[in-house]
Amino acid sequence: AQSVTQLDSQVPVFEEAPVELRCNYSSSVSVYLFWYVQYPNQGLQLLLKYLSGSTLVESINGFEAEFNKSQTSFHLRKPSVHISDTAEYFCAVSEDSGGYQKVTFGTGTKLQVIP
Amino acid sequence: DARVTQTPRHKVTEMGQEVTMRCQPILGHNTVFWYRQTMMQGLELLAYFRNRAPLDDSGMPKDRFSAEMPDATLATLKIQPSEPRDSAVYFCASGLAIALVSYNEQFFGPGTRLTVL
Repeated sequence: AQSVTQLDSQVPVFEEAPVELRCNYSSSVSVYLFWYVQYPNQGLQLLLKYLSGSTLVESINGFEAEFNKSQTSFHLRKPSVHISDTAEYFCAVSEDSGGYQKVTFGTGTKLQVIP
Repeated sequence: DARVTQTPRHKVTEMGQEVTMRCQPILGHNTVFWYRQTMMQGLELLAYFRNRAPLDDSGMPKDRFSAEMPDATLATLKIQPSEPRDSAVYFCASGLAIALVSYNEQFFGPGTRLTVL
């Protein structure tokens, strides 16, 4: 069975500082990995995804995540955060489960950008 | 602009009443998910449909919850009778699974905020 661990429930960071949101997963088979972002009072939106190929994936707003198979991690990073990045971030893993893809979400990390 | 829609956006009801939440997935998507989000439990998967058939509803309390897809453009989640502990935000998401082993990128609706008094 797959699981996703986001150790940090909240991460405060000053504006323009770098940030890393950690995500570790466990799975016995090949997986696909995702980061979703949830702004206040909204649904989740896909931020970036790893399916195959290059282990470093990027989003259009400056976030990146690197798939590390040996460490079973998919940490999310941004070199310089903005106030508008304040949101909750969810890591998710998708794997084949009995013939269909089952997605498991982590518990989320609230990123608070401090002016 | 294709997006998942959910109605109602907010619902306040009294304990014991029936609650029905509706979701219109993105046209052409063949997978639908229902999630419940609370501060204490986070995001929990309640049910998963593919091609209108329920594939996984293990996360849903069977005694009071039911989920259906009467047609490809409508998914419903019902709670009968509702209880205060059901208070949460309920999200619907849809996606396109092309093959059995295709990834599930999910598109979320805005959610229904349910309060049971």
